[in-house]
Amino acid sequence: DVKVTQSSRYLVKRTGEKVFLECVQDMDHENMFWYRQDPGLGLRLIYFSYDVKMKEKGDIPEGYSVSREKKERFSLILESASTNQTSMYLCASSPGYEQYFGPGTRLTVT
Amino acid sequence: KNQVEQSPQSLIILEGKNCTLQCNYTVSPFSNLRWYKQDTGRGPVSLTIMTFSENTKSNGRYTATLDADTKQSSLHITASQLSDSASYICVVSRISNFGNEKLTFGTGTRLTIIP
Repeated sequence: DVKVTQSSRYLVKRTGEKVFLECVQDMDHENMFWYRQDPGLGLRLIYFSYDVKMKEKGDIPEGYSVSREKKERFSLILESASTNQTSMYLCASSPGYEQYFGPGTRLTVT
Repeated sequence: KNQVEQSPQSLIILEGKNCTLQCNYTVSPFSNLRWYKQDTGRGPVSLTIMTFSENTKSNGRYTATLDADTKQSSLHITASQLSDSASYICVVSRISNFGNEKLTFGTGTRLTIIP
């Protein structure tokens, strides 16, 4: 069974803080993705990575950065959290075209 | 513009009844269409994936159909159970100009099954 884990289920941060969201997959997948999910908007792609140390911008990369130092781990970084980054963040990994999602991190920025 | 629209936005049905969720898309060029189930507070889980040449696919009590000509898909749930209460998300895949896969997500249908 594919397992994608995310470091926190719930997170509360203050405006201006640097925030790290971690994602780990145990299936040796090359592809990893970060999405945010907001009511009425569906999932939107923030960043993705097809290999270690490789990253590509998705549809809404502004205010975010990512890091992939190891194949199994893909980190999303909010350099200076803002209230409009309050959202559900979902990580996914993929061997090809099937994507397997983690449980999500609900981030609240106050 | 690449879009995926789902209807209805929400649906409430009695346990044991059948229901059908709709998905219309304008994504091009089409690669495949997926239906995901997302329980409250959890990540989406794949139910079916259909390519251009497939017009029906089943996964237990879930049956997805695809009409690539009219760009429509439906997800039919038979003999609903309380555990079917979830959001159902339609996702359409295309291949970008750079050769990588791009997904467009619908906003989902929120299904509630009542006993």
